[in-house]
Amino acid sequence: DAGVTQSPTHLIKTRGQQVTLRCSPKSGHDTVSWYQQALGQGPQFIFQYYEEEERQRGNFPDRFSGHQFPNYSSELNVNALLLGDSALYLCASSRLVPGQGASIIYFGEGSWLTVV
Amino acid sequence: AQSVTQLGSHVSVSEGALVLLRCNYSSSVPPYLFWYVQYPNQGLQLLLKYTTGATLVKGINGFEAEFKKSETSFHLTKPSAHMSDAAEYFCAVSGQGTALIFGKGTTLSVSS
Repeated sequence: DAGVTQSPTHLIKTRGQQVTLRCSPKSGHDTVSWYQQALGQGPQFIFQYYEEEERQRGNFPDRFSGHQFPNYSSELNVNALLLGDSALYLCASSRLVPGQGASIIYFGEGSWLTVV
Repeated sequence: AQSVTQLGSHVSVSEGALVLLRCNYSSSVPPYLFWYVQYPNQGLQLLLKYTTGATLVKGINGFEAEFKKSETSFHLTKPSAHMSDAAEYFCAVSGQGTALIFGKGTTLSVSS
C-alpha cells in the first residue's frame, strides 16, 4: 500500500514564474492538506481539501491555490513566485470519520522548491 | 485559536540518557495533540497522538507522552536515547479534523 506520494521531489524556478506541485493521498484517504516548511521552521498550514472543495485555509495569499480531483489527488499552485516561497512543501492525507474527526494524518516526503 | 510552544530549540543528550522534549499548547477546543519526527531531507513521521481517553500515550520507537490538561502540556519522553533518535521533533495541535498547528521544532542530538 503506497503512502502519500508527491511530485516533483525537487525543482528550481525563477522569480515571477508559476509552479504546480502534485500529491496522491494514501489509499482510502479523502482529505488532503498542504503545508509549507521553510528552512529551520515548523510546517505551516496552507489549506485543506475535502470533497473537491477548499475546507480550511491558513494565512497564505491568494497566489497559493489548489485543487482536488475526484480520485482525491491534489495540486498546489503558486503564482508570481517570490524568493521567500523557497521551502519544502508537504502534502498530508487523512480520512474524515464522521463524529470522530480525522484519522491518522500521513505526510509525504515533500517537494523542495527553490526560487532564484 | 490554537498554538504550540516547544521549549528549547536544541536538546543534547548522551546515548542511554533520558530524553525529554517539552511542548505546551493553547486551544479553545478540546485538543488533539501529536508528536512528529523528521529526519534530514525527509517528510514527517507520526510518533504518537492523543485524541481522547488515556492521558499517557505510547508511540513508536519507545517514545511516550503524557497529556496534562491542567498544565496544558504534552511532553515527549524516552527512557534511554539511541543514536538513531537524533532528528527534528515537532509537536502539533489540532481540533477535530482540522489543520495541524506545529511548533517550531526541537533538534535532538545524541552523543556516544
